Amino acid sequence: EAQVTQNPRYLITVTGKKLTVTCSQNMNHEYMSWYRQDPGLGLRQIYYSMNVEVTDKGDVPEGYKVSRKEKRNFPLILESPSPNQTSLYFCASSPHGTDTQYFGPGTRLTVL
Amino acid sequence: GQSLEQPSEVTAVEGAIVQINCTYQTSGFYGLSWYQQHDGGAPTFLSYNALDGLEETGRFSSFLSRSDSYGYLLLQELQMKDSASYFCAVRDSSGYSTLTFGKGTMLLVSP
Repeated sequence: EAQVTQNPRYLITVTGKKLTVTCSQNMNHEYMSWYRQDPGLGLRQIYYSMNVEVTDKGDVPEGYKVSRKEKRNFPLILESPSPNQTSLYFCASSPHGTDTQYFGPGTRLTVL
Repeated sequence: GQSLEQPSEVTAVEGAIVQINCTYQTSGFYGLSWYQQHDGGAPTFLSYNALDGLEETGRFSSFLSRSDSYGYLLLQELQMKDSASYFCAVRDSSGYSTLTFGKGTMLLVSP
């Protein structure tokens, strides 16, 4: 089944404790992206990647890192999480040259 | 940068037709997309317009007017399962893959 998977789906952590949210897609898509969703603010793009080893900042990249060492994986790294990073995070992928994005199921992160 | 405006909430009854508008301001424009998101779920792609006009996919249609920086999503024969949030999104001119979403329109369908 073609899909985007994220892990973990739920995470409660404390301020400053490094964490990684994994994202993987099995559709051989070139493009991958991370979004955060907050009430009243909609979806905001954090980082995106056009292909392996190619990443770029979205609208809200502060406090986040990403890497794209393999085409299928695009992990989101929070080196020192803070409470304002409490949010619902979505990973998405799409074939190059299209606007059809396939979203993962989401990761609900709480930083205490 | 860019901004998108869409109504925060729309209500309608089963069987009716509803239109969700989206106006945008961008420094460049590649196309307007629409996504549906049920409460607690992931956004799912509905439609994409790069050129002016109406695109129809079953009960859903999407319209774009590039000269007016305006588009809409039209939902016909509404069903209870259409109750969800609907987001319009545009692609930034600074990079082909920077996608900016509107804040979303919550559609409530009642019996």
